Amino acid sequence: SSELTQDPAVSVALGQTVRITCQGDSLRSYYASWYQQKPGQAPVLVIYGKNNRPSGIPDRFSGSSSGNTASLTITGAQAEDEADYYCNSRDSSGNHLMVFGGGTKLTVL
Amino acid sequence: EVQLVESGGGLVQPGGSLRLSCAASGFTFSSYAMHWVRQAPGKGLEYVSAISSNGGSTYYANSVKGRFTISRDNSKNTLYLQMGSLRAEDMAVYYCARGATVVTPLDYWGQGTLVTVSS
Repeated sequence: SSELTQDPAVSVALGQTVRITCQGDSLRSYYASWYQQKPGQAPVLVIYGKNNRPSGIPDRFSGSSSGNTASLTITGAQAEDEADYYCNSRDSSGNHLMVFGGGTKLTVL
Repeated sequence: EVQLVESGGGLVQPGGSLRLSCAASGFTFSSYAMHWVRQAPGKGLEYVSAISSNGGSTYYANSVKGRFTISRDNSKNTLYLQMGSLRAEDMAVYYCARGATVVTPLDYWGQGTLVTVSS
């Protein structure tokens, strides 16, 4: 299958830790990348590879992977982290080049 | 500073054509693959097309194959997406994005240009 599956919505209390997950067969072969998108803005890459953050991304963002599941963890969530988060990876099925998950809306309470 | 600026969006009738452009600056354009990703109103991200750094390799999602053509002019630091036989389901914000290769993460994105398909 070439799909990546994400929970549609997740919430976290301010300052707490939240994990956003992404499942798919492709993740057994390739790392996920994670993008943050705030309303009316373009997506921003926050995690790529095994657990790499682009310059300017706070270290409270981290990534991990096990089997067919990739996770984005925000340790000490801040109000400004409220956004949609998308996972993305190469497609191992050969049907597509790259695929996106459906996105997870993160609410910070 | 890396900048990607899309243009060319607008209102087009079903069956019509449109060409999007993405002007790049702040980096060596010819060294990077480029991508188009779209987002329908209120929906998630959908991968559309990619082109290698020298333009020799291109990729299309099944949903646009045969209707869209990606190209680039490295002398003008510009990426293009020629869209034809447009359908209502093609209505979206179209983002251009940069990647080291056609299969690596998209590290910079433009702000997008809206394509509206309606009669």
